[in-house]
Amino acid sequence: GQQVMQIPQYQHVQEGEDFTTYCNSSTTLSNIQWYKQRPGGHPVFLIQLVKSGEVKKQKRLTFQFGEAKKNSSLHITATQTTDVGTYFCAGPFYGQNFVFGPGTRLSVLP
Amino acid sequence: KAGVTQTPRYLIKTRGQQVTLSCSPISGHRSVSWYQQTPGQGLQFLFEYFSETQRNKGNFPGRFSGRQFSNSRSEMNVSTLELGDSALYLCASSFRDRRDNEQFFGPGTRLTVL
Repeated sequence: GQQVMQIPQYQHVQEGEDFTTYCNSSTTLSNIQWYKQRPGGHPVFLIQLVKSGEVKKQKRLTFQFGEAKKNSSLHITATQTTDVGTYFCAGPFYGQNFVFGPGTRLSVLP
Repeated sequence: KAGVTQTPRYLIKTRGQQVTLSCSPISGHRSVSWYQQTPGQGLQFLFEYFSETQRNKGNFPGRFSGRQFSNSRSEMNVSTLELGDSALYLCASSFRDRRDNEQFFGPGTRLTVL
């Protein structure tokens, strides 16, 4: 079936450490989106990647789209307590709009 | 510009009852999607409406239905509630006819079925 997988499920880091979450799709995607959901909040759009091998940066966040357009990663450099939350990737699948991955829950210890 | 609004924010129902949730998209957005979020299943797509027509549907039973009005506001209905329907129901709006169809989520409706 149409699946989007993410690892790890949970990540605990010390403030200042780096963090990476990986996203894999069962099929090639036309684009991939990343969202962040703070505890008690709702998902907030971070970025969309469209091109094969694309790399985009937002301050301390680096997003990458794989060459085969089946995987993606989000890397955070020098995490801060404000980075706490669950990070979701989502890809468009025919007939289902967007399918979300299970998310990676990040906790940052001060 | 006002964000996506959802009402009510919290709801408690009992098994067998039905419930209607409402979503008002961002002004100018014509696409509204509904998602169910639970700790065990994550974010699951329910359906998408665009210009009053259902464009896509997720893998949910027929007890889950929705509609969209001419002003793009949307409602979803769940009939014959089951305990497993307890979840956060999120709606998201987007332009849909643009390539970068970023989704803007509302705060959600927390439904508890007793």
